[in-house]
Amino acid sequence: DTGVSQNPRHKITKRGQNVTFRCDPISEHNRLYWYRQTLGQGPEFLTYFQNEAQLEKSRLLSDRFSAERPKGSFSTLEIQRTEQGDSAMYLCASSHAGNYGYTFGSGTRLTVV
Amino acid sequence: DAKTTQPNSMESNEEEPVHLPCNHSTISGTDYIHWYRQLPSQGPEYVIHGLTSNVNNRMASLAIAEDRKSSTLILHRATLRDAAVYYCILRDGSSNTGKLIFGQGTTLQVKP
Repeated sequence: DTGVSQNPRHKITKRGQNVTFRCDPISEHNRLYWYRQTLGQGPEFLTYFQNEAQLEKSRLLSDRFSAERPKGSFSTLEIQRTEQGDSAMYLCASSHAGNYGYTFGSGTRLTVV
Repeated sequence: DAKTTQPNSMESNEEEPVHLPCNHSTISGTDYIHWYRQLPSQGPEYVIHGLTSNVNNRMASLAIAEDRKSSTLILHRATLRDAAVYYCILRDGSSNTGKLIFGQGTTLQVKP
């Protein structure tokens, strides 16, 4: 297994456009998390999946954001009508259930112009 | 969510040990102490975690105070590749989500 894979690595989009990011977790991990990180800050929790069920969403996840994890495998994070404030690094992580460490991907850097 | 307090930055010399402190005075009995580090332009990387006893792995050691209100991450011999932001995080072991709440972390500089 090559770890958590995120695509694309970089995305530049115009304000108002929709964007979608993909995360492929480690195959045997049933937990999947999305985080957002802006420059100089620690990552902020966005949402959590256990298998295909989305069990928690942060207040940061406005109605323009939606995440899915069909069949409990890969996950997608979509942002509709992007705003400049959405510019950030979007990180995906996966883990086993229980008190294990997370494995993070390298992230998708979004720039909204 | 329980919070941690870390120094904003620390410096170390290459080949010397580094002790990164973390205070977590409001820790509860079910909180695990996790450490992650983040190199520039990369996602965070798991380093180590523990509950009550000291822990060692190939990357580092974790020393946990007897009252669990503080802990120290120990890098035994710092290398230039250890320059990163180090995050100390309390993870609720009884939580269904197990989510991590990151703070600002400690930026470690390693001088040659």
